[in-house]
Amino acid sequence: DIVMTQGALPNPVPSGESASITCQSSKSLLHSNGKTYLNWYLQRPGQSPQLLIYWMSTRASGVSDRFSGSGSGTDFTLKISSVEAEDVGVYYCQQFLEYPRTFGGGTKLELK
Amino acid sequence: QVKLLQSGAELVKPGASVKLSCKTSGFTFSTSYMSWLKQVPGPSIEWIGWIYAGDGGTNYNQKFKGKATLTVDKSSSTAYMDLSSLTSEDAAVYFCARGTTGGFAYWGQGTLVTVSS
Repeated sequence: DIVMTQGALPNPVPSGESASITCQSSKSLLHSNGKTYLNWYLQRPGQSPQLLIYWMSTRASGVSDRFSGSGSGTDFTLKISSVEAEDVGVYYCQQFLEYPRTFGGGTKLELK
Repeated sequence: QVKLLQSGAELVKPGASVKLSCKTSGFTFSTSYMSWLKQVPGPSIEWIGWIYAGDGGTNYNQKFKGKATLTVDKSSSTAYMDLSSLTSEDAAVYFCARGTTGGFAYWGQGTLVTVSS
């Protein structure tokens, strides 16, 4: 199985500052079609996960442009510019290249 | 709009089985891949498997083979997951989600399963 490893945030993050969350995969997620099959989700307290970014850098419908995804085949970053109260929760990366689909352990964002 | 409405919380005895449901609306169910996922405090999320509503074809995470059985009822646009021989390790929140080429774009609200005698 592909192992997804996420980094921690230096919490709490001051409101209005930017935050970057890292994720590493044990295998390249670059498909032969040129797409990188890495997704990012946010799970707000008490809610279901919400898809933020797919194919490493494409924002899902309705997602704020304060969220951006980047990376290579195995190292990825989710950047949140100007953190707001609604950004609080746990962020997950997930690979969509192979079965079984696997998730990182989550990175918690707290607001100062 | 797209909705996935899951059944309510379950309290089940060790060794028993439980059937969870996920009623959908707002999209073409018969051409959809419906996944089920497990979340335990930690937090961590595991993908259990998917079922293609069109023909009932399935793809399971090896870890959950023999534990979970996925079915659908196209007439009611509902997906189901049976969990058998429950132990404390199966206590979790279970989500259904609609898979697309870009990931799990739509999720149910989750069903809490508690295993206790």
